[in-house]
Amino acid sequence: KNQVEQSPQSLIILEGKNCTLQCNYTVSPFSNLRWYKQDTGRGPVSLTIMTFSENTKSNGRYTATLDADTKQSSLHITASQLSDSASYICVVSTKAAGNKLTFGGGTRVLVKP
Amino acid sequence: GAVVSQHPSRVICKSGTSVKIECRSLDFQATTMFWYRQFPKQSLMLMATSNEGSKATYEQGVEKDKFLINHASLTLSTLTVTSAHPEDSSFYICSAYQGSHYEQYFGPGTRLTVT
Repeated sequence: KNQVEQSPQSLIILEGKNCTLQCNYTVSPFSNLRWYKQDTGRGPVSLTIMTFSENTKSNGRYTATLDADTKQSSLHITASQLSDSASYICVVSTKAAGNKLTFGGGTRVLVKP
Repeated sequence: GAVVSQHPSRVICKSGTSVKIECRSLDFQATTMFWYRQFPKQSLMLMATSNEGSKATYEQGVEKDKFLINHASLTLSTLTVTSAHPEDSSFYICSAYQGSHYEQYFGPGTRLTVT
């Protein structure tokens, strides 16, 4: 069964600090892995998307890594800002089944001043 | 980047009535659109896959007669919640698939409250 597990479920960090979110998946056949940011009451917004051959991708203060061998990904947030408070969702796409996405449960990040 | 809009953003309706939610891809053609439902503090749950010009494919446990999906053009898909009940209250999100970039772009969501 295709699954995406994220940890931690929630996280509180102080403004200016860094943090790392984890994602493990068992989706097969793998197509790509995405990280989305979802603000409360809003739709998800894409941060990064990585294919099998990519092991790191950055978008501003967000850096995602992918280890396709161990089926793990991480999202690192550098110098956190209050606006980083949101849910971060790891999503894996499979080449089969019409490009359906398998969603992780998300990590809720709260940045405090 | 590609933009997907939803209308309305928020709707309140009475139990037993029907509500239509529109999802539009504003600057690209989407051969496939997806409809999701999200309950508080939970992740998105896929309800159905909508392909332009053909019948939608529903996920297991989703009533196709209750959640009517129409994908009449490459830029518009609609979800109609028929005979809505309070348990249908949720956050509904659509996404549009741009095949050439294997990217899915999400709409801003529609908050449905059934009283």
